[in-house]
Amino acid sequence: GENVEQHPSTLSVQEGDSAVIKCTYSDSASNYFPWYKQELGKRPQLIIDIRSNVGEKKDQRIAVTLNKTAKHFSLHITETQPEDSAVYFCAAKKNMGSGNTGKLIFGQGTTLQVKP
Amino acid sequence: NAGVTQTPKFQVLKTGQSMTLQCAQDMNHEYMSWYRQDPGMGLRLIHYSVGAGITDQGEVPNGYNVSRSTTEDFPLRLLSAAPSQTSVYFCASSYGGGSYFGYTFGSGTRLTVV
Repeated sequence: GENVEQHPSTLSVQEGDSAVIKCTYSDSASNYFPWYKQELGKRPQLIIDIRSNVGEKKDQRIAVTLNKTAKHFSLHITETQPEDSAVYFCAAKKNMGSGNTGKLIFGQGTTLQVKP
Repeated sequence: NAGVTQTPKFQVLKTGQSMTLQCAQDMNHEYMSWYRQDPGMGLRLIHYSVGAGITDQGEVPNGYNVSRSTTEDFPLRLLSAAPSQTSVYFCASSYGGGSYFGYTFGSGTRLTVV
């Protein structure tokens, strides 16, 4: 089955710097890659996602890139702010055909700390 | 529109007891799933369902049962609780019919087995 590896497990940056979190996946049939942000004590929330037919997607200060050949995707946060401090999860999913969605498998998470 | 509702929010069980974690969504989502979250291990998929009457195992299904009799509800049953099942449990749902939809999570159930 699908396996998603996420690095680093912890990341500390100064406010205003950029942060990059990387994930690799094992199943070349995976075609949907969302990223979630989880603040302390809260539920995970979707912040950005990318489909396999797209190489890059941006939304204000966050962007995601996908390299299908290498089977890895990354989250980029620019001009980091203290409120970006949270745990970030990547995930991968493939369509199982017949219009049904497949399993969504998560990476282990990255704790991002943005120091003021 | 309440989204994904999980009950209870907190629960303490004794080893060997059974219980059901409830999950309900009011968004007419076809796809529902259960995850457990443990420190350093991310979110691990327990069971999932692609529609009423259809369920399948995820990464860590042992010790858990599910059923999906309606589109709205997807309860998770712990048959005989063990300390290793101490965790935070999240239910999530999304539209079906394709793979390009984000998941909405419930607020979680914090379970402690003593």
